[in-house]
Amino acid sequence: EVQLLESGGGLVQPGGSLRLSCAASGFTFSNYDLSWVRQAPGKGLEWVSGISFGGVNTYYADSVRGRFTISRDNSKNTLYLQMNSLRAEDTAVYFCAHDMGGTYNRWGQGTLLTVSS
Amino acid sequence: EIVLTQSPATLSLSPGERATLSCRASQSVSIYLAWYQQKPGQAPRLLIYDASNRATDIPARFSGSGSGTDFTLTISSLEPEDFAVYYCQQRNNWPLTFGGGTKVEI
Repeated sequence: EVQLLESGGGLVQPGGSLRLSCAASGFTFSNYDLSWVRQAPGKGLEWVSGISFGGVNTYYADSVRGRFTISRDNSKNTLYLQMNSLRAEDTAVYFCAHDMGGTYNRWGQGTLLTVSS
Repeated sequence: EIVLTQSPATLSLSPGERATLSCRASQSVSIYLAWYQQKPGQAPRLLIYDASNRATDIPARFSGSGSGTDFTLTISSLEPEDFAVYYCQQRNNWPLTFGGGTKVEI
């Protein structure tokens, strides 16, 4: 069974940094693309970033490009999202998702990031 | 960026009734549209991919149709566990985008 478990969320001051992790199991991690999708409190879903199975290709929403970096360690079955220069509008639950060509068939339970002073 | 507009924002129905949810794209997304269900405090769950294909373990009462710019998710007979928020999402163009959601409530 595919399982995705996010961690690393918390309270950060504006301008600060944080790294999220997503530990995966139940599938051959290195064969699949992965993505981060976020959801601000009471709002809808927003795709944030994606990475190809080998880690060569990365993609970002305009709202985070230049501030966030997606990466993966296929030897540890773990996906990361390094977030710098955080803003209040980055406050959200961040989900990692198993990416089947842009369709997300498995999701983690999410980790909450709050950016506030 | 492709904008997905879902309607209605809220759908008030009773168990056993038929639900029809709409998703309209600002430009063609071919058939590359998915539907997700989300319950409070939970992650989204994939229901339909590529407009009309049910995902694994999704009951037959859920069906999707459409192509180009107009898509429909139909729930043929609502079960109590179907009351949730439903999102459409396109994968035809970067950036991938989601609709604003339709809440199906009792």
